[in-house]
Amino acid sequence: GAVVSQHPSWVICKSGTSVKIECRSLDFQATTMFWYRQFPKQSLMLMATSNEGSKATYEQGVEKDKFLINHASLTLSTLTVTSAHPEDSSFYICSARDPNTIYFGEGSWLTVV
Amino acid sequence: DQQVKQNSPSLSVQEGRISILNCDYTNSMFDYFLWYKKYPAEGPTFLISISSIKDKNEDGRFTVFLNKSAKHLSLHIVPSQPGDSAVYFCAASAGAQKLVFGQGTRLTINP
Repeated sequence: GAVVSQHPSWVICKSGTSVKIECRSLDFQATTMFWYRQFPKQSLMLMATSNEGSKATYEQGVEKDKFLINHASLTLSTLTVTSAHPEDSSFYICSARDPNTIYFGEGSWLTVV
Repeated sequence: DQQVKQNSPSLSVQEGRISILNCDYTNSMFDYFLWYKKYPAEGPTFLISISSIKDKNEDGRFTVFLNKSAKHLSLHIVPSQPGDSAVYFCAASAGAQKLVFGQGTRLTINP
């Protein structure tokens, strides 16, 4: 069964609104979670590293004020896309590390209309 | 700078034969390597991993080989099955650092 769960799997929002995506580690505690974005037919692009109890570390070119990351507990990280635009439409994936390996969530499709 | 490269964007293999997916890396600090399988509109599924202290790791039909001197790893799937058709990503990390992914290889298993 899934050890990392994302919610929602699909979300459609209006341009200008904000949307939150949750990432939960189900069987382990994760001090670090990662958020990725995938464009069609492209590789996964790391957006940021989410650290429990501290600020996220963003990759170059990723707007931290637009993609808000909160890692409030050892089992939950959230990604909030603020003031969403159609170009933010993408497939967002989180991952979390347990002592042995890194597991990915199921992914969340965001469509901004 | 692409630190992890999968130079073959696609690969087609007949069912029952061996599938070999290749991955090259440039960062000598990488010490942990993983292979993931991904279907469209789904998150990647972990397949198999290998640490730099080993040169081979086997799990059922999947075997990963690591050649540190060549900075090369490969995933062997034998025998290949139709359900193996997917995009395969190799990934590497240095210590507890973030994963760096290759571009992916689309594997198609033909009946």
